[in-house]
Amino acid sequence: EVQLVESGGGLVQPGGSLRLSCAASGFTFSSYWMSWVRQAPGKGLEWVANIKQDGSEKYYVDSVKGRFTISRDNAKNSLYLQMNSLRAEDTAVYYCARDREQQLVPQELDYWGQGTLVTVSS
Amino acid sequence: DIQLTQSPSFLSASVGDRVTITCRASQGISSYLAWYQQKPGKAPKLLIYAASTLQSGVPSRFSGSGSGTEFTLTISSLQPEDFATYYCQQLNSYLQTFGQGTKVEIK
Repeated sequence: EVQLVESGGGLVQPGGSLRLSCAASGFTFSSYWMSWVRQAPGKGLEWVANIKQDGSEKYYVDSVKGRFTISRDNAKNSLYLQMNSLRAEDTAVYYCARDREQQLVPQELDYWGQGTLVTVSS
Repeated sequence: DIQLTQSPSFLSASVGDRVTITCRASQGISSYLAWYQQKPGKAPKLLIYAASTLQSGVPSRFSGSGSGTEFTLTISSLQPEDFATYYCQQLNSYLQTFGQGTKVEIK
């Protein structure tokens, strides 16, 4: 059974940092693009970043470029999101998600974690 | 960046109704469009990909159509479990985007 379990969320002050983790199981993690998608309270979905199977390609939404870094450790079946210079508008539930197929280009997202809440507030 | 605009943003319907949601892209995206369903407090669920292909396990009352800049999600006969928020997502660009969502509520 495919499982994605996020952790690392919490309350952080503006300007602070946080590292999210996503533990994957039930599939060959190294064969899939992986993504982070967030959802601010009461708002819609926003794609944040994704990373290719071997980590050689990474893409980010403009609002987080230069502040967030997506990475992965295929030996540990884990996905990460390092978030620096956090702002109030980064407050959201952050979901880890897997591509539907093992392809060389990003696909739609067929498995999602339960999400982890990040709150940026003083 | 490619923008997606869904209409309507809010829809009130009854069980058994036929429901159609539209997603318009700011530029052509071929058929690189997916639809998701999200219920409160839950992660999104993939319904349709490649504009019209039903994801495994999704009921056949859901269907998708369109290409280029205009797409539709249709629920042929709304069921109680279909009351949720629906999102479109484009994958034509490496910078993916979601539509703002359409909330389907009970009339």
